Amino acid sequence: KQEVTQIPAALSVPEGENLVLNCSFTDSAIYNLQWFRQDPGKGLTSLLLIQSSQREQTSGRLNASLDKSSGRSTLYIAASQPGDSATYLCAVLYNFNKFYFGSGTKLNVKP
Amino acid sequence: DTGVSQNPRHKITKRGQNVTFRCDPISEHNRLYWYRQTLGQGPEFLTYFQNEAQLEKSRLLSDRFSAERPKGSFSTLEIQRTEQGDSAMYLCASSLQGWDTEAFFGQGTRLTVV
Repeated sequence: KQEVTQIPAALSVPEGENLVLNCSFTDSAIYNLQWFRQDPGKGLTSLLLIQSSQREQTSGRLNASLDKSSGRSTLYIAASQPGDSATYLCAVLYNFNKFYFGSGTKLNVKP
Repeated sequence: DTGVSQNPRHKITKRGQNVTFRCDPISEHNRLYWYRQTLGQGPEFLTYFQNEAQLEKSRLLSDRFSAERPKGSFSTLEIQRTEQGDSAMYLCASSLQGWDTEAFFGQGTRLTVV
């Protein structure tokens, strides 16, 4: 059974700090992995997509890495801002049909 | 095209009533997904369409749930005889065909069954 785990479940940091969110998955035979942001009561906003053949992707202050052999991905956020406060979800695509999601990491960046 | 659109955004219904949600995907996307999310959890897969064909349904999708995607465009998700346990956020996503394509989600429909 494919399982996706995100640690920590919640994180509170002061503004300006660099931080790392973790995502682990049990089956390494993935097609791709996608990181999303979700604001309270809202839908999901795509942040980064990493294909199975890639090691990392960058977008602005965000950098996502992928290590298939160890079943791990990390999302690095540089110079965090209060506007980064949200829940961050990772989703793993094992076949064409569906993503498996972690439960998310709720991030609070304090001014 | 401004992205995936879902309507309504919020729905409050009495237990036992039927409800229907609509999803308009990004126009050129041939894949469409429905997910359900409860508070504090990640989204769970419900069903998936490629064009108009419904290719997979989760065991979470009881007989009270039905989804359609006529002509491979918009999709509807209907819940019959709603129960309090159906209260959740219902999310729709779409993507292009291919394993390396990005999925885009709508803003969701928040269902409350009272």
